[in-house]
Amino acid sequence: GQSLEQPSEVTAVEGAIVQINCTYQTSGFYGLSWYQQHDGGAPTFLSYNGLDGLEETGRFSSFLSRSDSYGYLLLQELQMKDSASYFCAVRDHGGGFKTIFGAGTRLFVKA
Amino acid sequence: DAGVIQSPRHEVTEMGQEVTLRCKPISGHNSLFWYRQTMMRGLELLIYFNNNVPIDDSGMPEDRFSAKMPNASFSTLKIQPSEPRDSAVYFCASTRTETKAFFGQGTRLTVV
Repeated sequence: GQSLEQPSEVTAVEGAIVQINCTYQTSGFYGLSWYQQHDGGAPTFLSYNGLDGLEETGRFSSFLSRSDSYGYLLLQELQMKDSASYFCAVRDHGGGFKTIFGAGTRLFVKA
Repeated sequence: DAGVIQSPRHEVTEMGQEVTLRCKPISGHNSLFWYRQTMMRGLELLIYFNNNVPIDDSGMPEDRFSAKMPNASFSTLKIQPSEPRDSAVYFCASTRTETKAFFGQGTRLTVV
């Protein structure tokens, strides 16, 4: 089966850098994605790593190490609006390219 | 592009009633997912379609749940009969690349 582990909560101050880790176990790994969800909203795509290494998109970066079954999302220059839940998700072709989500990390950004 | 459209946005129904949730994926997307989100269980994949064909329905909780995708632009998720434990936010998502999924705004279902 598939499983993803990520911290349930992280707190950081405005302007700081925060890293949200994700470890996964899957039968047929095909890529790791990150999504952001504000309260009452829908998940929105942030980044995708299909290969090892770092992907950068503005203030957000995502990293993947397939040999360690590990990835992280790095948020820089934190802003209050970054307070949200962040989900890692694996694309698993064990059952036909379905996307399975972790439980989410609640990020609180303080002034 | 209108994005993924779900209806209704909110549904309140009595236990035992049939509930039908609707989804219009983004035009050109060939994969569609139904997810259920609750505080206790997080975001669960219920069923996944590729080119209108159900590929994996292992996440469908029980026989009371059924999903169809009669064409590339429409899908339904039906619960019959509904129970209070079905109360959740149900999301539909579609994708073309399968690396980036686009979610609808969700249907908040309350079964009383």
